[in-house]
Amino acid sequence: QKEVEQDPGPLSVPEGAIVSLNCTYSNSAFQYFMWYRQYSRKGPELLMYTYSSGNKEDGRFTAQVDKSSKYISLFIRDSQPSDSATYLCAMSSYTGGFKTIFGAGTRLFVKA
Amino acid sequence: DVKVTQSSRYLVKRTGEKVFLECVQDMDHENMFWYRQDPGLGLRLIYFSYDVKMKEKGDIPEGYSVSREKKERFSLILESASTNQTSMYLCASSLSGSVGQFFGPGTRLTVL
Repeated sequence: QKEVEQDPGPLSVPEGAIVSLNCTYSNSAFQYFMWYRQYSRKGPELLMYTYSSGNKEDGRFTAQVDKSSKYISLFIRDSQPSDSATYLCAMSSYTGGFKTIFGAGTRLFVKA
Repeated sequence: DVKVTQSSRYLVKRTGEKVFLECVQDMDHENMFWYRQDPGLGLRLIYFSYDVKMKEKGDIPEGYSVSREKKERFSLILESASTNQTSMYLCASSLSGSVGQFFGPGTRLTVL
């Protein structure tokens, strides 16, 4: 079993839809939870990160962490064609040193 | 803005060749990382460095080595390239641990 599971998609939605992207994980020691966006032929870029449980909002993006369920989510409101990309979840723990575990990524298409 | 640059976007090499991939960051980050990214497998850590001349093995170091002679530069070396090293190679840097890494654009390496 992988430490981090993420549905690869593809997920296709119409412009303006609310998008929900999710990851599950097995290591209860994870404390830092991140979402990266990767456009085609580019490197990942950090969208948001949260520490421990709870919600964090940044513009149209909201990250949620439920440590009791070992489940994290990224919501995108009013999705735009420019949001079409692969979204990677990632997580790390202090005790894990410098290692971050990445999900395989979910490919999102937002249709105009 | 943090900038991480990689020496080549695309590279084609032959089996058995020694390959050098270079990465430079301009934000005075202590930590630098090398990953490879393969479809369905996500990002896998090859090596990381938390200080000049310091390096640590990641999850898949076999067949690779690294060099960090200066703080801003982290090189990945494929000692004798093999076809199973055909992949996208991503370099990243971070200020604090492995949280919030900044990635370069990637080098797509093909080994024939």
